[in-house]
Amino acid sequence: AQTVTQSQPEMSVQEAETVTLSCTYDTSESNYYLFWYKQPPSRQMILVIRQEAYKQQNATENRFSVNFQKAAKSFSLKISDSQLGDTAMYFCAFSGGATNKLIFGTGTLLAVQP
Amino acid sequence: DSGVTQTPKHLITATGQRVTLRCSPRSGDLSVYWYQQSLDQGLQFLIQYYNGEERAKGNILERFSAQQFPDLHSELNLSSLELGDSALYFCASSVSGGSAQETQYFGPGTRLLVL
Repeated sequence: AQTVTQSQPEMSVQEAETVTLSCTYDTSESNYYLFWYKQPPSRQMILVIRQEAYKQQNATENRFSVNFQKAAKSFSLKISDSQLGDTAMYFCAFSGGATNKLIFGTGTLLAVQP
Repeated sequence: DSGVTQTPKHLITATGQRVTLRCSPRSGDLSVYWYQQSLDQGLQFLIQYYNGEERAKGNILERFSAQQFPDLHSELNLSSLELGDSALYFCASSVSGGSAQETQYFGPGTRLLVL
């Protein structure tokens, strides 16, 4: 069975600084995808970034980038130039195997301080 | 706005009752997924439907059931409600749901409170 682990329940960062959120996963699948979702106080689930396991190049979306270490089964999210609007719960998620279901970690609550 | 709609936004009911949550997927999406977010169990997958047929089942209780109609909207029925069923219920949709690479787009959720 696949599992996703986020070991940082809460983190804090100053505005304009960089922060990295950690995620590890376990799977025996060879073809899978990894995602970071953001859940702001509105509770809406918003896709931040996705990574295909077969791609060696790390995904990047504007200020958001990932460090994908396939052998270590690690998938961290780096947020550069943090903004107050980045304050949210961040979930790491896995999808792979025979179904398209998402398996989520427990989340990291990120607070961006002014 | 993801294009996925869910109604109602909030629902307050009593133990033992039955409720129906409704979801309309994005235009063109054939797959609908239901997830439950609770303090106890986090975000977990309940069930997936593709073009009217059940495609995958997760940790869905026997008191819960779902279906997808010909117009592709989906309903999640929760019966014999217990206090522990209080949660945020999300619906998500994707184009076909046949591949792990597909991005799922989430609706705003229905917040259920069982008193």
